Amino acid sequence: QLVESGGGLVKPGESLRLSCAASGFTFNTYSMNWVRQAPGKGLEWVSSISSTSTYIYYPDSLKGRFTVSRDNAKNSLYLQMNSLRAEDTAIYYCARSLVPYCGITTCPSWGDYWGQGALVTVSS
Amino acid sequence: QSALTQPPSASGSPGQSVTISCTGTSSDVGAYNFVSWYQQHPGKAPKLIIYEVTKRPSGVPDRFSGSKSGNTASLTVSGLQAEDEADYHCCSYGGSNNVGVFGGGTKLTVL
Repeated sequence: QLVESGGGLVKPGESLRLSCAASGFTFNTYSMNWVRQAPGKGLEWVSSISSTSTYIYYPDSLKGRFTVSRDNAKNSLYLQMNSLRAEDTAIYYCARSLVPYCGITTCPSWGDYWGQGALVTVSS
Repeated sequence: QSALTQPPSASGSPGQSVTISCTGTSSDVGAYNFVSWYQQHPGKAPKLIIYEVTKRPSGVPDRFSGSKSGNTASLTVSGLQAEDEADYHCCSYGGSNNVGVFGGGTKLTVL
Protein backbone atom coordinates (compact mmCIF):
# COMPACT_ATOMS: atom_id res chain seq x y z
CA GLN A 1 0.00 0.00 0.00
CA LEU A 2 1.14 3.52 -0.80
CA VAL A 3 -0.26 6.58 0.95
CA GLU A 4 0.66 10.11 -0.09
CA SER A 5 0.43 13.11 2.20
CA GLY A 6 1.53 16.72 2.32
CA GLY A 7 -0.57 18.20 -0.45
CA GLY A 8 -2.30 21.54 -0.11
CA LEU A 9 -2.74 25.09 -1.33
CA VAL A 10 0.39 27.20 -1.75
CA LYS A 11 1.21 30.50 -3.42
CA PRO A 12 3.43 30.81 -6.47
CA GLY A 13 7.08 30.72 -5.51
CA GLU A 14 6.49 28.74 -2.33
CA SER A 15 7.67 25.23 -1.49
CA LEU A 16 5.95 22.01 -0.52
CA ARG A 17 7.13 18.54 0.46
CA LEU A 18 5.11 15.46 -0.37
CA SER A 19 5.50 12.14 1.39
CA CYS A 20 4.58 8.63 0.32
CA ALA A 21 4.38 5.99 3.04
CA ALA A 22 4.82 2.42 1.88
CA SER A 23 3.67 -0.76 3.56
CA GLY A 24 3.08 -4.40 2.71
CA PHE A 25 6.24 -4.92 0.66
CA THR A 26 9.99 -4.71 1.08
CA PHE A 27 10.36 -1.02 0.27
CA ASN A 28 14.14 -0.96 0.12
CA THR A 29 14.27 -3.36 -2.80
CA TYR A 30 12.13 -1.35 -5.22
CA SER A 31 12.76 1.77 -7.26
CA MET A 32 10.01 4.33 -6.80
CA ASN A 33 8.44 6.97 -8.99
CA TRP A 34 6.38 10.15 -8.86
CA VAL A 35 3.76 10.92 -11.51
CA ARG A 36 1.41 13.89 -11.64
CA GLN A 37 -1.85 14.71 -13.35
CA ALA A 38 -3.03 18.26 -13.89
CA PRO A 39 -6.81 18.80 -13.73
CA GLY A 40 -8.45 17.25 -16.76
CA LYS A 41 -5.10 16.34 -18.30
CA GLY A 42 -2.99 13.27 -18.89
CA LEU A 43 -0.30 11.74 -16.73
CA GLU A 44 3.19 13.23 -16.52
CA TRP A 45 6.29 11.50 -15.17
CA VAL A 46 7.93 13.60 -12.45
CA SER A 47 10.81 11.61 -10.99
CA SER A 48 12.30 8.18 -10.36
CA ILE A 49 14.70 7.03 -7.65
CA SER A 50 16.53 3.73 -7.33
CA SER A 51 16.18 1.51 -4.28
CA THR A 52 19.37 2.82 -2.68
CA SER A 53 18.97 6.43 -3.90
CA THR A 54 22.08 5.99 -6.06
CA TYR A 55 20.27 6.85 -9.27
CA ILE A 56 17.78 9.66 -9.58
CA TYR A 57 16.02 10.86 -12.71
CA TYR A 58 13.91 13.88 -13.63
CA PRO A 59 12.52 15.24 -16.87
CA ASP A 60 14.50 18.25 -18.07
CA SER A 61 11.47 20.46 -17.44
CA LEU A 62 11.61 19.83 -13.67
CA LYS A 63 15.33 19.60 -13.00
CA GLY A 64 16.47 22.13 -10.43
CA ARG A 65 13.07 22.72 -8.82
CA PHE A 66 12.01 19.24 -7.70
CA THR A 67 14.05 16.86 -5.55
CA VAL A 68 13.15 13.25 -4.85
CA SER A 69 14.50 11.35 -1.87
CA ARG A 70 13.69 8.31 0.20
CA ASP A 71 14.26 6.98 3.71
CA ASN A 72 14.31 3.20 3.57
CA ALA A 73 14.39 2.99 7.36
CA LYS A 74 11.03 4.75 7.43
CA ASN A 75 9.64 3.08 4.28
CA SER A 76 9.02 6.52 2.88
CA LEU A 77 9.44 8.40 -0.39
CA TYR A 78 9.55 12.18 -0.62
CA LEU A 79 9.20 14.91 -3.22
CA GLN A 80 10.48 18.38 -2.37
CA MET A 81 8.98 20.96 -4.70
CA ASN A 82 10.42 24.48 -4.77
CA SER A 83 9.55 27.66 -6.65
CA LEU A 84 6.12 26.29 -7.37
CA ARG A 85 4.16 27.63 -10.33
CA ALA A 86 0.50 27.57 -11.28
CA GLU A 87 1.27 24.88 -13.86
CA ASP A 88 2.48 22.57 -11.08
CA THR A 89 -1.11 22.31 -9.88
CA ALA A 90 -1.92 18.61 -10.09
CA ILE A 91 -2.59 15.40 -8.26
CA TYR A 92 0.73 13.82 -7.40
CA TYR A 93 0.94 10.03 -7.27
CA CYS A 94 3.72 7.77 -6.06
CA ALA A 95 4.07 4.46 -7.89
CA ARG A 96 6.20 1.39 -7.36
CA SER A 97 8.48 -0.11 -9.96
CA LEU A 98 7.57 -3.65 -11.02
CA VAL A 99 10.77 -5.53 -10.43
CA PRO A 100 12.73 -5.60 -7.16
CA TYR A 101 16.50 -5.47 -7.14
CA CYS A 102 16.48 -4.02 -10.65
CA GLY A 103 17.55 -0.57 -11.72
CA ILE A 104 15.27 1.99 -13.29
CA THR A 105 16.95 1.96 -16.69
CA THR A 106 17.20 -1.85 -16.75
CA CYS A 107 13.65 -2.49 -15.59
CA PRO A 108 11.75 0.71 -16.46
CA SER A 109 8.26 -0.69 -16.03
CA TRP A 110 6.35 0.55 -13.01
CA GLY A 111 2.93 1.24 -11.62
CA ASP A 112 1.71 -2.07 -10.25
CA TYR A 113 0.95 -0.16 -7.05
CA TRP A 114 -0.10 3.48 -6.84
CA GLY A 115 -1.01 5.76 -4.01
CA GLN A 116 -4.34 7.53 -3.88
CA GLY A 117 -2.74 10.82 -4.85
CA ALA A 118 -2.06 14.15 -3.14
CA LEU A 119 -3.58 17.33 -4.54
CA VAL A 120 -1.24 20.28 -4.90
CA THR A 121 -2.80 23.61 -5.79
CA VAL A 122 -0.59 26.58 -6.61
CA SER A 123 -2.58 29.80 -6.64
CA SER A 124 -2.32 33.33 -5.31
CA GLN B 1 1.75 18.82 -25.35
CA SER B 2 2.28 15.12 -24.62
CA ALA B 3 5.25 13.33 -26.13
CA LEU B 4 3.20 10.31 -27.21
CA THR B 5 0.12 10.79 -29.35
CA GLN B 6 -3.15 9.08 -28.49
CA PRO B 7 -6.61 9.72 -29.92
CA PRO B 8 -8.62 11.76 -27.40
CA SER B 9 -11.56 9.41 -27.61
CA ALA B 10 -12.62 5.94 -28.68
CA SER B 11 -15.86 4.05 -28.41
CA GLY B 12 -17.49 0.69 -28.98
CA SER B 13 -20.57 -1.28 -28.13
CA PRO B 14 -20.63 -4.05 -25.53
CA GLY B 15 -19.03 -7.20 -26.89
CA GLN B 16 -17.15 -5.38 -29.61
CA SER B 17 -13.40 -4.80 -29.81
CA VAL B 18 -11.69 -1.43 -29.81
CA THR B 19 -8.05 -0.54 -30.43
CA ILE B 20 -6.32 2.54 -29.08
CA SER B 21 -3.11 3.71 -30.69
CA CYS B 22 -0.10 5.37 -29.10
CA THR B 23 2.42 6.94 -31.47
CA GLY B 24 5.88 7.96 -30.37
CA THR B 25 9.25 8.20 -32.03
CA SER B 26 12.33 6.13 -32.71
CA SER B 27 13.70 7.43 -29.38
CA ASP B 28 10.96 5.97 -27.21
CA VAL B 29 8.28 3.57 -28.48
CA GLY B 30 10.35 2.50 -31.45
CA ALA B 31 13.54 2.06 -29.46
CA TYR B 32 12.42 0.01 -26.48
CA ASN B 33 9.98 -2.77 -25.67
CA PHE B 34 8.92 -0.95 -22.51
CA VAL B 35 5.47 0.33 -23.32
CA SER B 36 2.87 0.26 -20.56
CA TRP B 37 -0.83 0.97 -20.54
CA TYR B 38 -2.82 2.25 -17.58
CA GLN B 39 -6.57 2.29 -17.05
CA GLN B 40 -7.98 5.12 -14.97
CA HIS B 41 -11.55 5.47 -13.79
CA PRO B 42 -12.79 8.95 -12.75
CA GLY B 43 -11.41 10.04 -9.43
CA LYS B 44 -9.22 6.97 -9.10
CA ALA B 45 -5.52 6.25 -9.37
CA PRO B 46 -4.29 4.65 -12.58
CA LYS B 47 -4.12 0.87 -12.81
CA LEU B 48 -1.47 -1.00 -14.78
CA ILE B 49 -3.03 -3.27 -17.39
CA ILE B 50 -0.17 -3.89 -19.85
CA TYR B 51 3.60 -3.66 -19.45
CA GLU B 52 6.54 -4.46 -21.70
CA VAL B 53 4.24 -4.04 -24.72
CA THR B 54 2.32 -7.30 -24.36
CA LYS B 55 2.45 -8.54 -20.76
CA ARG B 56 -0.53 -8.47 -18.40
CA PRO B 57 -0.17 -8.20 -14.64
CA SER B 58 -1.86 -10.87 -12.60
CA GLY B 59 -5.59 -10.30 -12.38
CA VAL B 60 -5.95 -8.31 -15.59
CA PRO B 61 -8.43 -10.01 -17.94
CA ASP B 62 -7.05 -11.41 -21.19
CA ARG B 63 -9.55 -9.18 -22.97
CA PHE B 64 -6.81 -6.58 -22.75
CA SER B 65 -3.89 -7.04 -25.12
CA GLY B 66 -1.00 -4.94 -26.31
CA SER B 67 1.14 -4.81 -29.42
CA LYS B 68 3.69 -2.63 -31.14
CA SER B 69 4.76 -1.92 -34.68
CA GLY B 70 7.54 0.54 -35.32
CA ASN B 71 6.89 3.73 -33.41
CA THR B 72 3.27 2.91 -32.64
CA ALA B 73 1.95 0.81 -29.78
CA SER B 74 -1.63 -0.34 -29.52
CA LEU B 75 -4.02 -1.48 -26.83
CA THR B 76 -6.92 -3.72 -27.85
CA VAL B 77 -9.89 -4.29 -25.60
CA SER B 78 -11.95 -7.24 -26.77
CA GLY B 79 -15.43 -8.16 -25.64
CA LEU B 80 -16.09 -4.64 -24.36
CA GLN B 81 -17.84 -4.42 -21.03
CA ALA B 82 -19.46 -1.47 -19.31
CA GLU B 83 -16.72 -1.37 -16.69
CA ASP B 84 -14.09 -0.86 -19.40
CA GLU B 85 -15.33 2.71 -19.79
CA ALA B 86 -12.37 4.72 -18.51
CA ASP B 87 -9.36 6.76 -19.56
CA TYR B 88 -6.43 4.82 -20.97
CA HIS B 89 -2.88 6.17 -20.84
CA CYS B 90 0.15 4.81 -22.66
CA CYS B 91 3.68 5.27 -21.42
CA SER B 92 7.04 4.42 -22.92
CA TYR B 93 10.58 4.33 -21.63
CA GLY B 94 12.66 6.84 -23.56
CA GLY B 95 16.12 6.49 -22.07
CA SER B 96 17.57 7.83 -18.83
CA ASN B 97 16.55 11.40 -19.65
CA ASN B 98 12.99 10.33 -20.33
CA VAL B 99 12.19 7.47 -18.01
CA GLY B 100 8.47 7.87 -18.50
CA VAL B 101 7.00 9.40 -21.64
CA PHE B 102 3.21 9.53 -21.50
CA GLY B 103 0.50 10.02 -24.03
CA GLY B 104 -2.33 12.46 -23.51
CA GLY B 105 -4.82 9.72 -22.66
CA THR B 106 -7.82 8.28 -24.49
CA LYS B 107 -11.33 8.33 -23.11
CA LEU B 108 -13.01 5.03 -23.95
CA THR B 109 -16.79 5.11 -24.06
CA VAL B 110 -18.86 1.93 -24.06
CA LEU B 111 -21.99 2.78 -26.00
